Amino acid sequence: ETGVTQSPTHLIKTRGQQVTLRCSSQSGHNTVSWYQQALGQGPQFIFQYYREEENGRGNFPPRFSGLQFPNYSSELNVNALELDDSALYLCASSSARDTDTQYFGPGTRLTVL
Amino acid sequence: QKEVEQNSGPLSVPEGAIASLNCTYSDRVSQSFFWYRQYSGKSPELIMSIYSNGDKEDGRFTAQLNKASQYVSLLIRDSQPSDSATYLCAVNRGYGGATNKLIFGTGTLLAVQP
Repeated sequence: ETGVTQSPTHLIKTRGQQVTLRCSSQSGHNTVSWYQQALGQGPQFIFQYYREEENGRGNFPPRFSGLQFPNYSSELNVNALELDDSALYLCASSSARDTDTQYFGPGTRLTVL
Repeated sequence: QKEVEQNSGPLSVPEGAIASLNCTYSDRVSQSFFWYRQYSGKSPELIMSIYSNGDKEDGRFTAQLNKASQYVSLLIRDSQPSDSATYLCAVNRGYGGATNKLIFGTGTLLAVQP
């Protein structure tokens, strides 16, 4: 157990809908990164939040957005869902003392029908 | 060329044998490297990190790094059926002020046969 929690565990949505996924970082960790893992692939970096600001973004469209709160928890929002958004969404946290090392939460499995 | 490449496997080894998992990366200036284990339907779990050339041992696991050859490997000694999982190699691109993002390979599926 890493201490990183995510909710919900599973989610089913239909194309065009919007979804919000939530993450609580490990105690003492102030940086949260989000990844998308499609079936049979490695995780792909979506974006990272540090001190409530976006601190880098991967190759994802603007309909993927996020927030970080003062307690370092974070949300990932996806608008206008597409079938290809079906994936495991992973949140990872890291500390200021060791920014390189990221610890993953259990993930949210999103299915878009 | 993918930034991080792994053989997708499956790599099948008998129980008690050494499993050798390999990874190559394309960005020569990468500084930190990680191995994650992922069981089916679960999230990645950090096994090892390595930053310097050479070997780093932790229990039954040894990570090896060769920056000149841009090559990272993971050896698992005395493999157990419980080691059967997908092993993900990751390279951190957080240098020069850039974001500490992990670039993953597609993973190697390891199957340890009892």
